[in-house]
Amino acid sequence: SQTIHQWPATLVQPVGSPLSLECTVEGTSNPNLYWYRQAAGRGLQLLFYSVGIGQISSEVPQNLSASRPQDRQFILSSKKLLLSDSGFYLCAWSGSSPGELFFGEGSRLTVL
Amino acid sequence: DAKTTQPPSMDCAEGRAANLPCNHSTISGNEYVYWYRQIHSQGPQYIIHGLKNNETNEMASLIITEDRKSSTLILPHATLRDTAVYYCIVRPGGTSYGKLTFGQGTILTVHP
Repeated sequence: SQTIHQWPATLVQPVGSPLSLECTVEGTSNPNLYWYRQAAGRGLQLLFYSVGIGQISSEVPQNLSASRPQDRQFILSSKKLLLSDSGFYLCAWSGSSPGELFFGEGSRLTVL
Repeated sequence: DAKTTQPPSMDCAEGRAANLPCNHSTISGNEYVYWYRQIHSQGPQYIIHGLKNNETNEMASLIITEDRKSSTLILPHATLRDTAVYYCIVRPGGTSYGKLTFGQGTILTVHP
């Protein structure tokens, strides 16, 4: 069966520090991968998606970047965090049915 | 993508059916209706989706009106664990990736 893992689960970082969140999927090949963010009291916002290795599409301009170095690995990064980057970050994958997304456990980031 | 409208909150007694409505009056012919739910502090979970026929799976039933301008998600025997935010999403078919636009959803509270 397919599984998705993302880490770390929680993170407290100072403003201006770098960020790296990692997500891996097991049990499937060539998945579509996604990073979503959920700010406090708000809905989920799609940040990035990837349909293959090295292929990244950004949905909104922001202080973050994404990379896909391997088929089942998706990384969210920032060189310098802002207060507004705080939120709940969710990695997800989809397969042959692109509207069926399977989400990870989430990473809660607090920028102080 | 078509916009959806959901009530902000609903209550349901445990063991009773929960009927969650969604309006999508601007839906176009190739757009599917998806339902997800998000339990507090977890990633969203796919429930069901449909185009124009009613659908049923082990979690829920989806009833789509004949004109497709609205739909209802039915949880036949709600339990306390069904307390969550339920999202109704409209998404065009035929795209290779699963961009989903999440709104505010309906907070369903199941009472003992």
